[in-house]
Amino acid sequence: DQQVKQNSPSLSVQEGRISILNCDYTNSMFDYFLWYKKYPAEGPTFLISISSIKDKNEDGRFTVFLNKSAKHLSLHIVPSQPGDSAVYFCAATMNRDDKIIFGKGTRLHILP
Amino acid sequence: DSGVTQTPKHLITATGQRVTLRCSPRSGDLSVYWYQQSLDQGLQFLIQYYNGEERAKGNILERFSAQQFPDLHSELNLSSLELGDSALYFCASSPSPTHNEQFFGPGTRLTVL
Repeated sequence: DQQVKQNSPSLSVQEGRISILNCDYTNSMFDYFLWYKKYPAEGPTFLISISSIKDKNEDGRFTVFLNKSAKHLSLHIVPSQPGDSAVYFCAATMNRDDKIIFGKGTRLHILP
Repeated sequence: DSGVTQTPKHLITATGQRVTLRCSPRSGDLSVYWYQQSLDQGLQFLIQYYNGEERAKGNILERFSAQQFPDLHSELNLSSLELGDSALYFCASSPSPTHNEQFFGPGTRLTVL
């Protein structure tokens, strides 16, 4: 039973344009969401997070939007850069004191 | 560099064998987490330790066990290995269980032949 779903295994975006990565979740008890980025041969690195009391969190080129009613979150990267090519994992947790549930990831290719 | 170290980087072994994966958390981090990433799968949470005590368990098989030592390093023991256990095993650490931003090590790639 996948509680965190990333339905797009891969996404290609032109350099300079906006990348939008989507994530859906099924458990309404999740109250904290995170995005991690992973390069080949490295462990995932934390990118940005959002609490369920907010609907938007911004950090430089990265913005995460949360739609609680739709149980959907998205990560926007603008403008996209070549170094953004990586696998992006969406993750969720509850009570900030529980295990983190990860999605399967979306591979982002930034095209020159 | 996240500050989390994992050894070995690669491990090749045969079915039925037992292996131990080692993780040293970031300096000062008390929580350690173990994850498995199989082909085309996301990160599957296995188990979490906090300051030496088991805190949460995920989809960890009975053939697998872990522990966290007084110096806070952790070991994941995998026994009676099967072909399907071939995967990347990641360790992560955080200052405390309520600190959600986990810092991941580079992983150990286990190949079971």
